[in-house]
Amino acid sequence: DVKVTQSSRYLVKRTGEKVFLECVQDMDHENMFWYRQDPGLGLRLIYFSYDVKMKEKGDIPEGYSVSREKKERFSLILESASTNQTSMYLCASTGGPFSYNEQFFGPGTRLTVL
Amino acid sequence: GIQVEQSPPDLILQEGANSTLRCNFSDSVNNLQWFHQNPWGQLINLFYIPSGTKQNGRLSATTVATERYSLLYISSSQTTDSGVYFCAVGVDMRFGAGTRLTVKP
Repeated sequence: DVKVTQSSRYLVKRTGEKVFLECVQDMDHENMFWYRQDPGLGLRLIYFSYDVKMKEKGDIPEGYSVSREKKERFSLILESASTNQTSMYLCASTGGPFSYNEQFFGPGTRLTVL
Repeated sequence: GIQVEQSPPDLILQEGANSTLRCNFSDSVNNLQWFHQNPWGQLINLFYIPSGTKQNGRLSATTVATERYSLLYISSSQTTDSGVYFCAVGVDMRFGAGTRLTVKP
């Protein structure tokens, strides 16, 4: 059974803290994605990665960075959390850049920044 | 990047009714998926359908890639079909804003 897991379902942080959101997939997928979801705005792409140590900016990368040191793990980093980063964060993965497959999502992390 | 528009934004049905959801996209793509987000927030794959037609039970989907749209059909709707339906397109999986479906008993 395919699985994408995220480190926390709920997270509460203070303004200015450094926040790490972890995502792990067990499907040997090459592509991994981070989105945020806000009411009425759908899912907006923050960053994605085609391979280890490779990253591409999505539509809203400002205030975020990512790390992909191993194929199965893709981390989203909020360098200095702000209240406007309160949101639902969703991680996903798919097969490969030249063999598009179904995209699978993790359960999401609801982050609140106070 | 690719622009994705979904319509209608909201849809309310009586149980047993049929519905059609639409996804338009601004550029040619070789990757398109439909998802259902359940009330707990989990996104569930419905169809991977860059072109052609697929069916799975009461749901079916058609993508006309040359005309840059895809349709999701739900027949004999049930209350468990309620939630938000998204399409996502392109190599970097850009999402539309979704269609919120409410099925009333």
